[in-house]
Amino acid sequence: EPEVTQTPSHQVTQMGQEVILRCVPISNHLYFYWYRQILGQKVEFLVSFYNNEISEKSEIFDDQFSVERPDGSNFTLKIRSTKLEDSAMYFCASSDSAINQPQHFGDGTRLSIL
Amino acid sequence: DAKTTQPPSMDCAEGRAANLPCNHSTISGNEYVYWYRQIHSQGPQYIIHGLKNNETNEMASLIITEDRKSSTLILPHATLRDTAVYYCIVSALTSGTYKYIFGTGTRLKVLA
Repeated sequence: EPEVTQTPSHQVTQMGQEVILRCVPISNHLYFYWYRQILGQKVEFLVSFYNNEISEKSEIFDDQFSVERPDGSNFTLKIRSTKLEDSAMYFCASSDSAINQPQHFGDGTRLSIL
Repeated sequence: DAKTTQPPSMDCAEGRAANLPCNHSTISGNEYVYWYRQIHSQGPQYIIHGLKNNETNEMASLIITEDRKSSTLILPHATLRDTAVYYCIVSALTSGTYKYIFGTGTRLKVLA
């Protein structure tokens, strides 16, 4: 069964550095999402992406964050000037174009900011 | 805020049916009900979804009340591997996105 893959599984970065989290969505999917989960807290929506542009973003997704689909297969989340509070699990999800089809999630990247 | 309310925890004996309730009294007419589960810190795993009819797949059954204000996820024969946090989410296409708003879910513990 096709799945969403995320790399790396764990990223350790010094505060202030930039990180890029990578995702390969399911191949025929057209809607892409990023979520994050701080340890012990709820899964939070960050951003949705469709037709090569952001559809919606949450209050969390400020100028520090950006997303890109650099080619036909990858979907990336860039975090500039990382802060300690950016430490979390980051999940990528995708869904196909059919109305109300479910999102399929990757297993996440654990981001640790030191 | 999440539009759903779930009990924080439940226990179920191995081999028995696990019935997980969800209240979504403010659901809109075009919103679907989705169920996911999360094992440890893995990504949420899709289980089942529906609009108003009951649904069944190889993992579970979803029972939605006629007024659509609540639903129940049924795991027919729970195993130890079903121990997880289960999330009930309502969502529909708005502004070109189907974003999910997660609540705190129900932590299901399957007991041997």
